[in-house]
Amino acid sequence: GAVVSQHPSWVICKSGTSVKIECRSLDFQATTMFWYRQFPKQSLMLMATSNEGSKATYEQGVEKDKFLINHASLTLSTLTVTSAHPEDSSFYICSARGLVAGVFGETQYFGPGTRLLVL
Amino acid sequence: AQTVTQSQPEMSVQEAETVTLSCTYDTSENNYYLFWYKQPPSRQMILVIRQEAYKQQNATENRFSVNFQKAAKSFSLKISDSQLGDTAMYFCALKAGNMLTFGGGTRLMVKP
Repeated sequence: GAVVSQHPSWVICKSGTSVKIECRSLDFQATTMFWYRQFPKQSLMLMATSNEGSKATYEQGVEKDKFLINHASLTLSTLTVTSAHPEDSSFYICSARGLVAGVFGETQYFGPGTRLLVL
Repeated sequence: AQTVTQSQPEMSVQEAETVTLSCTYDTSENNYYLFWYKQPPSRQMILVIRQEAYKQQNATENRFSVNFQKAAKSFSLKISDSQLGDTAMYFCALKAGNMLTFGGGTRLMVKP
């Protein structure tokens, strides 16, 4: 149990276009979802936290108009990188926390990540 | 503010031997959770083990165990009978409040 999927696993796009990444909790209700960014050989950097049905809370330095987050249901959150530029190229990882096997837990379960390359 | 420090950027161990990864943390919260996550070359973050701060007993999961020293704010991971598949980045993480804070990671190489 507690499986999180991400789609797409990798994407290449032209500068100026927008890219949407989906994060789904497959077998549990995710009351809270998190979006991270990871640069090569570095740790995870939290970008934003979203609770189902509410606006996302962004970390300091993360542009909310550039990284649009939607958490419209208990199983789906989306991250849209608007007007992407080469400096947005990175590995984006989502995680989810919520009701697993009937119990609300504190553990975050991670998706497999999405590699974004902006040309 | 909460911090997590992993002082060993890289480590190596021979297959079948035991290795211990260090982690120290700091938080002003009384209730918190500690985790070790593994990130293999596939980059999928995998939960290895977790520890509730209110529990005195050290968590164990098969070959993985922790040494949780609450007063010293230390949370080390011991991997017994190391296997080639254990080669990965290992991240220590602290959850206090709504935030999960990661350490900088330790790259573990298991040698045949």
